[in-house]
This record gives sequence, structure tokens and C-alpha cells, in this order.
Amino acid sequence: SQQGEEDPQALSIQEGENATMNCSYKTSINNLQWYRQNSGRGLVHLILIRSNEREKHSGRLRVTLDTSKKSSSLLITASRAADTASYFCATDLSGGSYIPTFGRGTSLIVHP
Amino acid sequence: EAGVAQSPRYKIIEKRQSVAFWCNPISGHATLYWYQQILGQGPKLLIQFQNNGVVDDSQLPKDRFSAERLKGVDSTLKIQPAKLEDSAVYLCASSFLTNEKLFFGSGTQLSVL
Repeated sequence: SQQGEEDPQALSIQEGENATMNCSYKTSINNLQWYRQNSGRGLVHLILIRSNEREKHSGRLRVTLDTSKKSSSLLITASRAADTASYFCATDLSGGSYIPTFGRGTSLIVHP
Repeated sequence: EAGVAQSPRYKIIEKRQSVAFWCNPISGHATLYWYQQILGQGPKLLIQFQNNGVVDDSQLPKDRFSAERLKGVDSTLKIQPAKLEDSAVYLCASSFLTNEKLFFGSGTQLSVL
């Protein structure tokens, strides 16, 4: 079963705009990760945020985690055409074996 | 450092045939994962190894899928016999420890005709 679910399923913006995508999950987690997948390629890790953290930054990426709402958001600032990809969140299941489970993803298109 | 290596890159077979995929994780990574990704969906975990032991294979269709991790390094995933619904990209990933980021290979795109 899928632990995390991304929203929206698809997002289309212009270069220079910000892109925000969300991930909701159902049970307590140890950490939450965001990945990017370009068409036809493997996934690339972006950011890992642990359950005791609320916000992390990496370049133009900002991830927040709200454990009370069981949700996370990924913000890409000043988007570029090269950011066009699918973005996935992956959550584990705390309290037991770490089993990373992915959602269906958000498809982002950035128009030049 | 070298990434996760997978082969073949593409495979086309007819239903009821057999197929095998190979994965070489990053050196030193104890945990290895096989995911199935159907077009338009997120990756679904098939099996997770910790060294050469199985951590989770609850979503592996064991009547037709099998996987092994030889000496805790390389791994092979086999489908026998294949069905049309097995058409997907099969992704291998590894991590140094559990609860850490995953490194993915480029995947094997399987088409079952």
C-alpha cells in the first residue's frame, strides 16, 4: 500500500515562478524524503527530513514537515525548464523495519 | 563514486517467457531494494535486502517472481513466467544504511507482448 500521496497530480508553471507540491501520509514516520525523476530515468534523491525537523533547505529547494497534520511540502523557487520532472515523496513506517514507500508523484512542467 | 548499475536497459519478451534483471549496488551499501514502476505510477517495493537477508517481500508475487542477493552484493530479479501486466520499469536502489537516502539505478524497461 502507498503510505504517502502527492498533491497536485500535475502542475504547469512558467519559468521563474515558484512550484509547491504536497505530500500527505497516514501513519507516524521516522523520516520523509523527496525524489525527482526525469522521464525514462531513475530517481534522484533531493532532501531527507527527519520527524524531529520542521524545515530544510537545499539550494532552491525548501521542504517543510508538519507531523501533527501528517504532511510535507516541497517548494521549488525560481523554477527553470530543467526542473521539469516528476517529484515523489517517500515515507517509512516508524516503529519497525525501515521500508521506504513512494506515492504516485506530482508531474511538474516548467514552460520556458 | 560509481552509481548503481543495472542491466539490461531494455527487454522485450512474449508472455509466458522468463526474464532476469541484474543489479550491482554501490560498494559498501548494505541495503538493496527492487521496485516496480508501472507507467504513470510511483515505484512499488517488491523486495528489500539487508546484506543477503530479506527484510520485506510482502508485495513480491512469489508464484512468478524471485530474487536473490549473492554474498550480500549483486542481486538478480527473475520473472517466470511473465504476464502482460508485468510490463513496467524495474528499478534497483541501494543505501549505506536503512533509514538513509536511496541511490537508484537507471532501471530496466520491460515490455511483455
